[in-house]
Amino acid sequence: DTAVSQTPKYLVTQMGNDKSIKCEQNLGHDTMYWYKQDSKKFLKIMFSYNNKELIINETVPNRFSPKSPDKAHLNLHINSLELGDSAVYFCASSQEGGQGYEQYFGPGTRLTVT
Amino acid sequence: QKEVEQNSGPLSVPEGAIASLNCTYSDRGSQSFFWYRQYSGKSPELIMSIYSNGDKEDGRFTAQLNKASQYVSLLIRDSQPSDSATYLCAVYNAGNMLTFGGGTRLMVKP
Repeated sequence: DTAVSQTPKYLVTQMGNDKSIKCEQNLGHDTMYWYKQDSKKFLKIMFSYNNKELIINETVPNRFSPKSPDKAHLNLHINSLELGDSAVYFCASSQEGGQGYEQYFGPGTRLTVT
Repeated sequence: QKEVEQNSGPLSVPEGAIASLNCTYSDRGSQSFFWYRQYSGKSPELIMSIYSNGDKEDGRFTAQLNKASQYVSLLIRDSQPSDSATYLCAVYNAGNMLTFGGGTRLMVKP
């Protein structure tokens, strides 16, 4: 069973469109995340979310919004897509508490904006 | 100054040698440190976590942490060609965010 899954794996779309990426985890974790990995392979946190708190990286444009229908799902909505949004987006999850915060990543969604 | 710094490499080692990967971080309050391995076109895979000063060993991997020097390293013994990947250092800081370094590309040559 896949621990953290994302759909779609690839997404090609035009500038100005609105798109969503879905993420599901079956690890029973209570915190989920979205990361962006750009063409230089730099991995950067976008959002951290659990049922109590949404933490937003201040550098993320408000065109990006996470939506969580339940504890096991965290979707990423992107409005008015721009060329610079082209990247690989990773979902991750972890269990809050203790020293851990070990995060486990999904397979990624490669977004190409043309 | 970047929060988590790594030499981008590539670091090239012969098969069977020890690969040494290094990472420095800027937030003195950081308590949790992680190493991820990322193969080309794949997602980051957690391989080591370390929370206390000293060494932590897991199989061929040893993580080393020195909080006074704000330094964390990963040693890979008996390096194999299958270890060729990008290794990402990650630090969990007081802002409840996991910050990644830019990664070090390791190449193990047969």
